Amino acid sequence: SQTIHQWPATLVQPVGSPLSLECTVEGTSNPNLYWYRQAAGRGLQLLFYSIGIDQISSEVPQNLSASRPQDRQFILSSKKLLLSDSGFYLCAWSVRRTVVGYTFGSGTRLTVV
Amino acid sequence: AQRVTQPEKLLSVFKGAPVELKCNYSYSGSPELFWYVQYSRQRLQLLLRHISRESIKGFTADLNKGETSFHLKKPFAQEEDSAMYYCALTGSARQLTFGSGTQLTVLP
Repeated sequence: SQTIHQWPATLVQPVGSPLSLECTVEGTSNPNLYWYRQAAGRGLQLLFYSIGIDQISSEVPQNLSASRPQDRQFILSSKKLLLSDSGFYLCAWSVRRTVVGYTFGSGTRLTVV
Repeated sequence: AQRVTQPEKLLSVFKGAPVELKCNYSYSGSPELFWYVQYSRQRLQLLLRHISRESIKGFTADLNKGETSFHLKKPFAQEEDSAMYYCALTGSARQLTFGSGTQLTVLP
């Protein structure tokens, strides 16, 4: 069966420090991969999506970047965190070319202090 | 551009009362609509999708193209229905656009 792993679960980082959040999917090939941010009172915002290795699309210009070095690995990064980067980050995957629905990871609670 | 609006951030109902969570969308083509739910300390998960015309945990949702709505309904709310509910839409680009969510609290 397919599983999605996301880590770390919580993270407290100082302003200006780098960030790396990792997401991996098991049990499937060629998934579509997504990074969402869930900010307080603002719902879910799509940050990046990827349809293949090194194929990343950015939905919102921001302080973050994403990479997909392997088929089932999706990384969210920042060189210098801002206070406004605090939030709950969710990774998700879906079967390519279908809209069966997304499967979400357990999320990472990031607090920038 | 595709957009999903959930006008209620918070909704409280008493156990056994009917509940309706509102969702309106904006999309020029033929969208596919979903409801996702996030129970306390659990992952966000798919509740139902309009193409399946299914009832999950007593919830139903009908796509009304004339009113561009996809409201989620349940005739008799239960305490275990308390959760965060997100309406979502996908179009030809196959990306999900979420609403801002409605926190449902079912009171005893």
